[in-house]
Amino acid sequence: NAGVTQTPKFRILKIGQSMTLQCTQDMNHNYMYWYRQDPGMGLKLIYYSVGAGITDKGEVPNGYNVSRSTTEDFPLRLELAAPSQTSVYFCASSTGQGAGEQYFGPGTRLTVT
Amino acid sequence: DAKTTQPPSMDCAEGRAANLPCNHSTISGNEYVYWYRQIHSQGPQYIIHGLKNNETNEMASLIITEDRKSSTLILPHATLRDTAVYYCIVRTRGSGNTGKLIFGQGTTLQVKP
Repeated sequence: NAGVTQTPKFRILKIGQSMTLQCTQDMNHNYMYWYRQDPGMGLKLIYYSVGAGITDKGEVPNGYNVSRSTTEDFPLRLELAAPSQTSVYFCASSTGQGAGEQYFGPGTRLTVT
Repeated sequence: DAKTTQPPSMDCAEGRAANLPCNHSTISGNEYVYWYRQIHSQGPQYIIHGLKNNETNEMASLIITEDRKSSTLILPHATLRDTAVYYCIVRTRGSGNTGKLIFGQGTTLQVKP
C-alpha cells in the first residue's frame, strides 16, 4: 500500500491564483481530513469528510473548498490565493467509526507571494 | 474534547528513556488519550492511545494516572531518530465520532548523543 499520497510536494502561487491540492489514499478509509500547519505551530483542521459525498468544515475553512466524489480522493481547492494561505498542508485518513489513528500524507508546501 | 498541557521542550540522552508528560485535568470518562509525533517536515505519525489502563506497543508505553488527569509517554531507549515534536491529544472514540484531532503546540523532544 502507498498509504496517503499528496501532490504536488511544493508550489509557489501568485496572489489571486487558484489551485487544487490532491490527496489519495489506498487503504479504503472512509474518513479523510485536510490540515494546515503554519511555521512553529500545531496543525489546524480545514475540512473533513466521513464518506463519499459528505464533507464538513473544520476550524479554519475560509478560503478553501473540498469535494469527495470517491472514497479514495479528497482534493482541496484554493480559489483566490492569499499570502495568509502560505503553509504546509497535510491530508490524512482513518478507518470508520471515528478511530483516532489517522494516517498522514507527506504534505504540500505552499507559498503565496 | 478536553484541553491538554505539555512542556514546550525537553532533552534526552541517546539510549536513555524519554518521559514526556501531559496534563489533561478536564478529561471526561469517555475520552481517550492519543499520542502522535511529527519528525521535522513530515506528516504526523500515530504512536499510541489509551483510556485508563497502561498501554504498550512496539514504539512506546503510555502511563495514565488513576484519576486520568495526566499521562506520560515513555520511549524506553531514545535514539536520535526520535527527535521530533510530540503531541498529546484527548478525544472521544467510537461510532458517530468524526475522528477530528485538535493539535496543540506539543513538546519538542531533542535526543542528544
